Amino acid sequence: DAGITQSPRHKVTETGTPVTLRCHQTENHRYMYWYRQDPGHGLRLIHYSYGVKDTDKGEVSDGYSVSRSKTEDFLLTLESATSSQTSVYFCASQGVLSYEQYFGPGTRLTVT
Amino acid sequence: LAKTTQPISMDSYEGQEVNITCSHNNIATNDYITWYQQFPSQGPRFIIQGYKTKVTNEVASLFIPADRKSSTLSLPRVSLSDTAVYYCLVGVRNGGSQGNLIFGKGTKLSVKP
Repeated sequence: DAGITQSPRHKVTETGTPVTLRCHQTENHRYMYWYRQDPGHGLRLIHYSYGVKDTDKGEVSDGYSVSRSKTEDFLLTLESATSSQTSVYFCASQGVLSYEQYFGPGTRLTVT
Repeated sequence: LAKTTQPISMDSYEGQEVNITCSHNNIATNDYITWYQQFPSQGPRFIIQGYKTKVTNEVASLFIPADRKSSTLSLPRVSLSDTAVYYCLVGVRNGGSQGNLIFGKGTKLSVKP
């Protein structure tokens, strides 16, 4: 399996506070993704990156921003967390010639 | 974007063959069909991918008719450990500049002893 980790694995935060989730991959994959997963919705794409400093919005990008300053790291920031952003967040990476996305273990975020 | 429709849930018993069908009426010429498996509290894991006809690997088979408007994931002789959610995705084969890999709600497969 591709080496992809997420930190933190669990986080509880209060409404209105900023939160940053980190995704780290050791496979030198070009593409990286952030998804959220909620009951009844499956996985939904938040943002993705197709290279260092190259990012674009996904299906549910409102309230989220991302940054990718290095190939191996993809950060997801909630500028001002809301209760609707309580979810499980998954990061994934994919190589240029690969058709498979490798997922991290997920981060469970609770906004109170 | 090609959306997919698959059953919400399925039940099976150990040792049976399970077939999960996915509809994708608006599939484009360049789209591939990919299936992922997700266990509770884990990220999804790639199972199989195909473009047309039949693809088989050590885990599953994927059947795609000529019109490619549907596909069927076949799991031979399931065991309790195959209990998971299975996602059907349709999109271009390579990485995410298009950002169009859409995970639907998936099919929750429950395998009983």
